[in-house]
Amino acid sequence: AQKITQTQPGMFVQEKEAVTLDCTYDTSDPSYGLFWYKQPSSGEMIFLIYQGSYDQQNATEGRYSLNFQKARKSANLVISASQLGDSAMYFCAMSDQTGANNLFFGTGTRLTVIP
Amino acid sequence: EAEVAQSPRYKITEKSQAVAFWCDPISGHATLYWYRQILGQGPELLVQFQDESVVDDSQLPKDRFSAERLKGVDSTLKIQPAELGDSAMYLCASSFGTSGGSVISETQYFGPGTRLLVL
Repeated sequence: AQKITQTQPGMFVQEKEAVTLDCTYDTSDPSYGLFWYKQPSSGEMIFLIYQGSYDQQNATEGRYSLNFQKARKSANLVISASQLGDSAMYFCAMSDQTGANNLFFGTGTRLTVIP
Repeated sequence: EAEVAQSPRYKITEKSQAVAFWCDPISGHATLYWYRQILGQGPELLVQFQDESVVDDSQLPKDRFSAERLKGVDSTLKIQPAELGDSAMYLCASSFGTSGGSVISETQYFGPGTRLLVL
């Protein structure tokens, strides 16, 4: 069974600084996808970045990058140059590419950007 | 920009009443998902449709929950009767398909959600 672990319930970062949000996963499937979503207080889940298990390079999307360490089963999100609007809940999720592509989510990390 | 639409955004009901939520996925997305998110937790899948067919409803409490996607486009999730423990955010998401291996086919896009409060 797939499992996602986010060990940081809350994180603080100074505006314009970089921050790393941790995510570890557990699966026996060789093929899977890893996602990060942002959930502001309004409630919608906003897709940020994707990493496939066979991708050789770490994914990047603007200020977001995913530090993928396959042997350690970790997929940490790095946000560079934090902005006040980055304050939100962040969820790591994994899809099972051998099955129905369901997403399994972690418990999330609440990021607060300090001016 | 294409978005997943959901309504209502908020719903307050009394226990034992019936409630229904509606979702319209991004045009062209064959796969539609309903998730439930309890406060302080990540979303959990309730049901997944591929076009009009149910792919996975193993976590749907079928004694009180039902879901349909009759024409393979929009979808309705119903709870009857509602219980206090059903208070949660109900999120709808859609994706191009279920076959894995690419960000295009796999990525699920979420709607704004429906916040349900059962009194």
